[in-house]
Amino acid sequence: EPEVTQTPSHQVTQMGQEVILRCVPISNHLYFYWYRQILGQKVEFLVSFYNNEISEKSEIFDDQFSVERPDGSNFTLKIRSTKLEDSAMYFCASSLQDQPQHFGDGTRLSIL
Amino acid sequence: LAKTTQPISMDSYEGQEVNITCSHNNIATNDYITWYQQFPSQGPRFIIQGYKTKVTNEVASLFIPADRKSSTLSLPRVSLSDTAVYYCLVGDVGYGGSQGNLIFGKGTKLSVKP
Repeated sequence: EPEVTQTPSHQVTQMGQEVILRCVPISNHLYFYWYRQILGQKVEFLVSFYNNEISEKSEIFDDQFSVERPDGSNFTLKIRSTKLEDSAMYFCASSLQDQPQHFGDGTRLSIL
Repeated sequence: LAKTTQPISMDSYEGQEVNITCSHNNIATNDYITWYQQFPSQGPRFIIQGYKTKVTNEVASLFIPADRKSSTLSLPRVSLSDTAVYYCLVGDVGYGGSQGNLIFGKGTKLSVKP
């Protein structure tokens, strides 16, 4: 069964540094998403992306965040200047039109 | 988006059938009901989705009464590996479109014991 894959599984970064989280969505999917989950809390929506542009974003997705689909297979989330409170699991998801979203197993981001 | 209410936790034993009920009194006409499962340190995994009546797949069944104000996820004969958090989500049918962001609640933590 096709899967969403995310790399790295764990990223440790110093506060203030830039970090890029990578995702390879399911190959024929057209809609892409990022979510995050702070330890012990709910899964929170960050951003959705379709046709090479952001469709929707939450209040969490401020100017420090950006997304990109640099080629036909990767979907990335960049945090420009990380803060301690950015420490969380970051999940990528993808879907077809009007179909359920499928999630990767996440990248654990630890900010020191 | 309709708000959902589900039990915080449930306990069960191996081999039993587990039913988790979710209330969604303000469900809209276009809303579908979707259930996800999440294991620790893993992403949510889609289980089942429905609009009305009953839906069954190889993993679970979803029962939705006529008024659609609640739904019940049924897991037949659970095993230890079914211990996880189960989320009920209600939202617009356009899950893949611009209205497709998912709103997760706290879910139901199911503990299956031997």
